[in-house]
Amino acid sequence: EPEVTQTPSHQVTQMGQEVILRCVPISNHLYFYWYRQILGQKVEFLVSFYNNEISEKSEIFDDQFSVERPDGSNFTLKIRSTKLEDSAMYFCASSVRDRRGSDEQYFGPGTRLTVT
Amino acid sequence: AQSVSQHNHHVILSEAASLELGCNYSYGGTVNLFWYVQYPGQHLQLLLKYFSGDPLVKGIKGFEAEFIKSKFSFNLRKPSVQWSDTAEYFCAVNTGRRALTFGSGTRLQVQP
Repeated sequence: EPEVTQTPSHQVTQMGQEVILRCVPISNHLYFYWYRQILGQKVEFLVSFYNNEISEKSEIFDDQFSVERPDGSNFTLKIRSTKLEDSAMYFCASSVRDRRGSDEQYFGPGTRLTVT
Repeated sequence: AQSVSQHNHHVILSEAASLELGCNYSYGGTVNLFWYVQYPGQHLQLLLKYFSGDPLVKGIKGFEAEFIKSKFSFNLRKPSVQWSDTAEYFCAVNTGRRALTFGSGTRLQVQP
């Protein structure tokens, strides 16, 4: 069964450093997402991406965040200058196109980001 | 903005007991509703979803959920739980835009 993969599984970085989290969505999916879950809190939406551009983003997704699909398979989340409060589990997801938005989002296993 | 509430944070049941996990959302318009499960060490997986039609939705592994529009609820049920159902369960909603809004999750522990 096809699945979303994410690398690395755990990333430790120092405050102020840039990190890139990588995801490989399911191959025939057209929508891509990033979510995050701070320890003990809800899973929160960050951004969705379709047709090589951001289609929706939350208030959390400020100028320090960016997303990119650098090639035909990878989908990346870049955090330019990490802060302590960026420590969280970051989930990538993908879905096929459904005009009502009711399509199932398939989630990856997550990358645990620890900012020290 | 929509929000999702899950009333039970931690539920402990014995095998064969019946399960009902509460989920309420706040949004006045058309919604799509989802229940996701996260087994220990695994990623989020879809259990079931509702977007139209019969308000009683059946999902995988014997789970079902009922959408009650007047109560803004989408409770998850299973008549007889198994030890393998031990997991965290998340209710989520979207409103036509694709971003999912999640509840805080319910940790279910099933004792053999």
